[in-house]
Amino acid sequence: EAGVAQSPRYKIIEKRQSVAFWCNPISGHATLYWYQQILGQGPKLLIQFQNNGVVDDSQLPKDRFSAERLKGVDSTLKIQPAKLEDSAVYLCASRGQGLYEQYFGPGTRLTVT
Amino acid sequence: AQSVTQLDSQVPVFEEAPVELRCNYSSSVSVYLFWYVQYPNQGLQLLLKYLSGSTLVKGINGFEAEFNKSQTSFHLRKPSVHISDTAEYFCAVIHTGTASKLTFGTGTRLQVTL
Repeated sequence: EAGVAQSPRYKIIEKRQSVAFWCNPISGHATLYWYQQILGQGPKLLIQFQNNGVVDDSQLPKDRFSAERLKGVDSTLKIQPAKLEDSAVYLCASRGQGLYEQYFGPGTRLTVT
Repeated sequence: AQSVTQLDSQVPVFEEAPVELRCNYSSSVSVYLFWYVQYPNQGLQLLLKYLSGSTLVKGINGFEAEFNKSQTSFHLRKPSVHISDTAEYFCAVIHTGTASKLTFGTGTRLQVTL
């Protein structure tokens, strides 16, 4: 069974530029999560999707971050414009129906200069 | 509100020595508990989980954890560590009411040396 895929693995941009990350969850997993992991901290939930609907985006900075999961499978997370404090690893995770454990992708390491 | 406290930010240990990584949680209701491991430049991998039943949970790579409800703890242990266990370890909790929102601790860096 293929795991959660993410791309790109690394991205370096200048502040005020825009960037997008892509995630493909485990096949059949209806629930998808995006987390932000700042160096030295645990992952923090940004947004949770159930199929193509948003369940929780209470911690997503909506003035600059957006996310979509149009067909209930792949998802993209966008930052526009980026700030220095957005430098972090962005993790995507998915969860199957009736399960509690989440499965994580390798993450995208974003550096904003 | 639920929170997770990992009491040690770093734990240095010699190879083949035992190790315990401490985790305490706070929640007014029942919880599900997890330990994840993160190797350098990788995502998080599930080590073990406690949902119900026996309070001693065995996971992958020889790790185990014990759920202690009275002390609200879920400490991770391994009787003999290897160099390859060097990684960041995260304790996490789910509030059973939501069944999906995972709250992480700040992590413990396990550094195994010869």
